[in-house]
Formats: sequence, C-alpha cells, structure tokens
Amino acid sequence: EAQVTQNPRYLITVTGKKLTVTCSQNMNHEYMSWYRQDPGLGLRQIYYSMNVEVTDKGDVPEGYKVSRKEKRNFPLILESPSPNQTSLYFCASSLDPYQETQYFGPGTRLLVL
Amino acid sequence: QKEVEQDPGPLSVPEGAIVSLNCTYSNSAFQYFMWYRQYSRKGPELLMYTYSSGNKEDGRFTAQVDKSSKYISLFIRDSQPSDSATYLCAMTDSWGKFQFGAGTQVVVTP
Repeated sequence: EAQVTQNPRYLITVTGKKLTVTCSQNMNHEYMSWYRQDPGLGLRQIYYSMNVEVTDKGDVPEGYKVSRKEKRNFPLILESPSPNQTSLYFCASSLDPYQETQYFGPGTRLLVL
Repeated sequence: QKEVEQDPGPLSVPEGAIVSLNCTYSNSAFQYFMWYRQYSRKGPELLMYTYSSGNKEDGRFTAQVDKSSKYISLFIRDSQPSDSATYLCAMTDSWGKFQFGAGTQVVVTP
C-alpha cells in the first residue's frame, strides 16, 4: 500500500530534550516536505526537499533541522524543543512539487512542556 | 500580511446546497493551485488541482482560478453531510515552496 508513515504519532516531551520525528514514504517520491498545523494558521511549511541531499527552508524553519540521506526518509529534528513548537506536524511527499498531488502522513501531535 | 487569505468559517449549509469557498493571494509567482479536504484528526487529501486561470470540474466539485485578480474558488454542488470537513486552499511556485490558507470549516446539516 502506497503511504507516508510518521513516528511517533503522539509525543509529550520537556523543553530542551532533543527529539526526532521520522517520516518515510514507499512511493519513490522525489519531493518531501514538513508542515506544522496550528489553529487559525493553517499549514505552514517548515522544510522541504526536492531530492536526496537537497533541502530548503520553508516559512517557519527556526528551531528545526532536517536531513535527506535517502530518498524514502525525511526526519524532522528538534534540537532543543520549546513550548511554542507544540503543534500538529505533517510530513508529505510527491513525485514533484507542482504537477503531482502531495500525499500526507497521518500527523504527529507534539506537546512540549 | 499573509500571502494567502482564507475565511476560517465555520460555514454552515443545509444538505443539497452549494458550498462556495475562496482564497485570495498576493504573490504573483504562484502558478499551481490546489484545494485539500481535511477531516478531523486526519491528514489533508487533495481534491482539486489547477494550473491556469479558468474552471476545472470534477464531479460535484468545481475549481476556479482568476490569476488577474489573485483569487481562487471551490464550489461543491449538492453538498452532503459527508462533505463536512475543513477545506484548505494551497498554492506553489515551481520551486517547491507551498503556501496554505488557514482553512475553512464547512458543516453540512441533514
């Protein structure tokens, strides 16, 4: 089954404790992207990747890191989480960013205390 | 000012009515326009995708793009309770950066 998976789905952590949210797709997609969703603000793009070893900042990259060492994986790293990073996070992938639909993962709900 | 403006609603309509949703944007670099539907606690799923100005129809859904006015719309005909969801407009240039609207919550009452 074609899908985007994210882990963990739910996470409660404390300020400053490094964490990684994994994202994996099995569709051989070139393009992958991370978003956060907050009430009243819609989806905001954090980082995106056009291909392996190619990443770019979205609108809200501060406090986040990403890497794209393999085509299928695109982990999101929070080196020192803060309460303002409490949010719902979505990973998405597509063959390319403009002619193909993006497939979204199920979301990761993060609470930073 | 946000690059994409979308009325958050909620928009409540009776079953069978036409739902009208719209977004305005400010960046003329946007070339590709999409509408996503998101049910509660789920990821967004693509409903409609358009590239140029004009209309595109798919079943009960019609998407309109007016690049000269920087305005896009989505119409849902013969709305059903199962259409109750949040609808997000999205747009991108050809370089991978996406902008989403805040989403409009739609409630279709039986």
